[in-house]
Amino acid sequence: GENVEQHPSTLSVQEGDSAVIKCTYSDSASNYFPWYKQELGKGPQLIIDIRSNVGEKKDQRIAVTLNKTAKHFSLHITETQPEDSAVYFCAAWSGRLYFGRGTQLTVWP
Amino acid sequence: GAVVSQHPSWVICKSGTSVKIECRSLDFQATTMFWYRQFPKQSLMLMATSNEGSKATYEQGVEKDKFLINHASLTLSTLTVTSAHPEDSSFYICSARDPAGRRGTDTQYFGPGTRLTVL
Repeated sequence: GENVEQHPSTLSVQEGDSAVIKCTYSDSASNYFPWYKQELGKGPQLIIDIRSNVGEKKDQRIAVTLNKTAKHFSLHITETQPEDSAVYFCAAWSGRLYFGRGTQLTVWP
Repeated sequence: GAVVSQHPSWVICKSGTSVKIECRSLDFQATTMFWYRQFPKQSLMLMATSNEGSKATYEQGVEKDKFLINHASLTLSTLTVTSAHPEDSSFYICSARDPAGRRGTDTQYFGPGTRLTVL
């Protein structure tokens, strides 16, 4: 099956700085890569996704890049705010969603 | 956007009793729903995939007789934890695929989760 690795496990940034979370996957047949934000005690919320026929996608302060050749994709958050603090999960679709282990992002005011 | 609800949001029960958790897609019809379990500070673990009108497909290591899943309609799936024990205490989350969604047929939307505590 698919194997998704996510780094770093924790990330602390100052408000206004950028944050980058990276993921790699193993199955070249994976074709859909969503990112979820999970706040404490809540379910994951889809924040952005990208498909294998696209290299980059942006939605306001959030962007995702995909390198199919290298089998890695990244989440970029610019101008971070304290409310961005949460756990972020990357995932890859290969018949079902395979999740990374998550990144705890803390944005300090 | 696509909204998935869960009920109850939290439940406390005695060991040996059964607990039912409901998952509903509020503004779309979900032919496929998924049930996950999440331990503190860990990722989501897929328990089973349910398709409307058919038996659920369980992941390896998940006891079918303990975690009963029913997907009786296009908007409702239920997870029943039978004869619950303290080790079943966890955060249970459902998700649903929106086959007619604008983002694509494989996009999954998650419910808010149910915190189960077994005493």
